[in-house]
Amino acid sequence: DAMVIQNPRYQVTQFGKPVTLSCSQTLNHNVMYWYQQKSSQAPKLLFHYYDKDFNNEADTPDNFQSRRPNTSFCFLDIRSPGLGDAAMYLCATSRDRGLPVYEQYFGPGTRLTVT
Amino acid sequence: QQQVKQSPQSLIVQKGGISIINCAYENTAFDYFPWYQQFPGKGPALLIAIRPDVSEKKEGRFTISFNKSAKQFSLHIMDSQPGDSATYFCAASMEAGGTSYGKLTFGQGTILTVHP
Repeated sequence: DAMVIQNPRYQVTQFGKPVTLSCSQTLNHNVMYWYQQKSSQAPKLLFHYYDKDFNNEADTPDNFQSRRPNTSFCFLDIRSPGLGDAAMYLCATSRDRGLPVYEQYFGPGTRLTVT
Repeated sequence: QQQVKQSPQSLIVQKGGISIINCAYENTAFDYFPWYQQFPGKGPALLIAIRPDVSEKKEGRFTISFNKSAKQFSLHIMDSQPGDSATYFCAASMEAGGTSYGKLTFGQGTILTVHP
């Protein structure tokens, strides 16, 4: 089945220790998104890629970076995690043409714990 | 103007009852309104979506009602089941312009509990 896969599902890192979360997709969608979701809150968009074009949200901290080496993979790098970065990180994909456009497919998420 | 306001924050319904969640938006440029269902520890899953050219869309027990003039839309879950217990998010999106490729603006979420 075509899907969005996130690894690892659970990640524990130490305060200030860089961490990378990964996302892969078999949907061949050209748009990929990274969201941060804290407990009892809605997902908050961090950035997205349209093909290789990177689009950062204005309020995304510099501590968060992303890479998209090819259509299928996208990475979220947190350079110096703080306690406030503990959250669920969600990857999503969508296509920009055809119907239904903009329908976003979410992965299962990575639960990040910062100790 | 980019906000989507969702209510109620939590909802308790008896099995077989109707669950109703409401959302309101300000930006008339929004042209796509999805609802997502999220179970604990899982990613959101698209449940049903509507465009503003129709006033209602039904898929099984789930119906979206859309009122363009009032800038409101709602999710109705008929014959609610305990398995429907989850968090529901409404969202809104607009035609891509510039770099806004289908960016979703989410409501605050509603925690639905369906008692057996």
